[in-house]
Amino acid sequence: GENVEQHPSTLSVQEGDSAVIKCTYSDSASNYFPWYKQELGKRPQLIIDIRSNVGEKKDQRIAVTLNKTAKHFSLHITETQPEDSAVYFCAASKSVGGADGLTFGKGTHLIIQP
Amino acid sequence: EAQVTQNPRYLITVTGKKLTVTCSQNMNHEYMSWYRQDPGLGLRQIYYSMNVEVTDKGDVPEGYKVSRKEKRNFPLILESPSPNQTSLYFCASSNREGYEQYFGPGTRLTVT
Repeated sequence: GENVEQHPSTLSVQEGDSAVIKCTYSDSASNYFPWYKQELGKRPQLIIDIRSNVGEKKDQRIAVTLNKTAKHFSLHITETQPEDSAVYFCAASKSVGGADGLTFGKGTHLIIQP
Repeated sequence: EAQVTQNPRYLITVTGKKLTVTCSQNMNHEYMSWYRQDPGLGLRQIYYSMNVEVTDKGDVPEGYKVSRKEKRNFPLILESPSPNQTSLYFCASSNREGYEQYFGPGTRLTVT
């Protein structure tokens, strides 16, 4: 089955700086890669996703890049703000939208230092 | 309001006492899944369902059962709970076109 590795497990950055979280996956058939943000005590919420036919996608301060050859994808957050503090999960799926299930990384705890 | 609901939200029980966690969605979604979340392990899929009466195992199905008799409901059944099933459980649903998965609020289960 699919295996998703995520690094780092904890990331501390100064407010205003950029943060990068990286994931690798093992199954070359995976073609959908979402990123979820989970605040303390809350449910995971989708913040951005990318499909395998796209190399990069951006939404305001958040961007995701995908390298299918190397089987890795990354989340980039620019101009970080205190409300960005949360746990971020990457995931992979063979079905667009992950309808038949997502394989998640173990998460990155992002800490924004004031 | 489009949503996924779970009940109960918190449950403390004893080893061996059968329990059911309910999950319901009002978005007419075909696909539903159950995940468990444990510290340092992320979210792991337990079971998923692609339609009524169609279910399949995820990565960690041992000790769990599910059923999908109606499109909107996808209960998770623990026939004989054990302490290693203490976890935070999330139900999720998505539509046939495979847009994003919507997660329920979570059920925190403690088995003593």
